[in-house]
Amino acid sequence: DVKVTQSSRYLVKRTGEKVFLECVQDMDHENMFWYRQDPGLGLRLIYFSYDVKMKEKGDIPEGYSVSREKKERFSLILESASTNQTSMYLCASRRPNYGYTFGSGTRLTVV
Amino acid sequence: GDSVTQMEGPVTLSEEACLTINCTYTATGYPSLFWYVQYPGEGLQLLLKATKADDKGSNKGFEATYRKETTSFHLEKGSVQVSDSAVYFCASIGASGSARQLTFGSGTQLTVLP
Repeated sequence: DVKVTQSSRYLVKRTGEKVFLECVQDMDHENMFWYRQDPGLGLRLIYFSYDVKMKEKGDIPEGYSVSREKKERFSLILESASTNQTSMYLCASRRPNYGYTFGSGTRLTVV
Repeated sequence: GDSVTQMEGPVTLSEEACLTINCTYTATGYPSLFWYVQYPGEGLQLLLKATKADDKGSNKGFEATYRKETTSFHLEKGSVQVSDSAVYFCASIGASGSARQLTFGSGTQLTVLP
């Protein structure tokens, strides 16, 4: 089975800190995604990448950036964390024409 | 753009009750449709899918039929169990876009009481 691993289940960071959320997949998938999940809003796409060094903005990219230097790793970066970025972050990967596989999520609290 | 609207929760049922969670979509063309489930403390898992009109997806006693005429993909189960307590998300993928990203509904929290 494809495995998508997010490095942290829970994180607490201070306002203004630079935060890195890491995601690694082990099945050579081209496509990778970062979503945030908030109650009543479902999942909203932040950024996605369809190949190494390629990235595209999703629906809510403001305040975030991403990095994809290797095919298996897709990092989400909060340049200067703010309290409104407190959320559950979900990473996913996908091979074209196949389904998505999600990681277990990182619950980030910004204080 | 594409959108998915699903029944708001939370939904609370007794064990062995019938479940229906409504989902409708708007999309250009004919999207593929999905139901994902998120158990407490976990990521999303694919529950079932349908890729064309009149397809029925099924898994673990859950079913959903792709209805083009009503643009719907309602999730149903005839007899729920306590272990079905989770958040359920309806989602679609359209035909356009280089990575064909999923569009999600807002999620429906289901609690099944013994």
